[in-house]
Amino acid sequence: GDSVTQMEGPVTLSEEAFLTINCTYTATGYPSLFWYVQYPGEGLQLLLKATKADDKGSNKGFEATYRKETTSFHLEKGSVQVSDSAVYFCALSHIRSGGSNYKLTFGKGTLLTVNP
Amino acid sequence: EAQVTQNPRYLITVTGKKLTVTCSQNMNHEYMSWYRQDPGLGLRQIYYSMNVEVTDKGDVPEGYKVSRKEKRNFPLILESPSPNQTSLYFCASSLASGRLSYNEQFFGPGTRLTVL
Repeated sequence: GDSVTQMEGPVTLSEEAFLTINCTYTATGYPSLFWYVQYPGEGLQLLLKATKADDKGSNKGFEATYRKETTSFHLEKGSVQVSDSAVYFCALSHIRSGGSNYKLTFGKGTLLTVNP
Repeated sequence: EAQVTQNPRYLITVTGKKLTVTCSQNMNHEYMSWYRQDPGLGLRQIYYSMNVEVTDKGDVPEGYKVSRKEKRNFPLILESPSPNQTSLYFCASSLASGRLSYNEQFFGPGTRLTVL
């Protein structure tokens, strides 16, 4: 079955540091890949996505590139802020024609803390 | 405001006492789903629904029931809760995706359930 493995953390950085959170996946076919963010006390929000190989998703300074050859989708940000402190989830989903379960398969999440 | 709402946000109950967690969305989404989030396990899907009166099991359906009588509502029912159902529960919804597209899943704020 599908699975997602991500850096478990926790990750603690100083403001303006470079961030990388590694994510690799196992899946049949060509899944879509996502990063979700969960701020304290809130639900999950979609941060970025990529739906085919070599696509780069980007949002709020975060980027991730869909690498099919290495089955990876690492999250990066050049300069983190205190407001980026949250839990980050890597996830995948298969798009099925005709409508079916759009289940997201999640990694275990990575807690990021950014200190001033 | 487009949103997914869940009630209650926090619930402490005792083993065997039936409970319902409500989920409602105001975006006219066809697809709705329930996940549970546990430390070290990420999020796992419990049940999902492709439309009114259409529901199916996810990865961890044991001990749960759902219904979809109206498009906007997707309640999660625990007929006889047990301590291993202590968890953080999230409801999500999205438009039904086409074959080559992905519609963002919107998550509710979560319901923290403790079963004593």
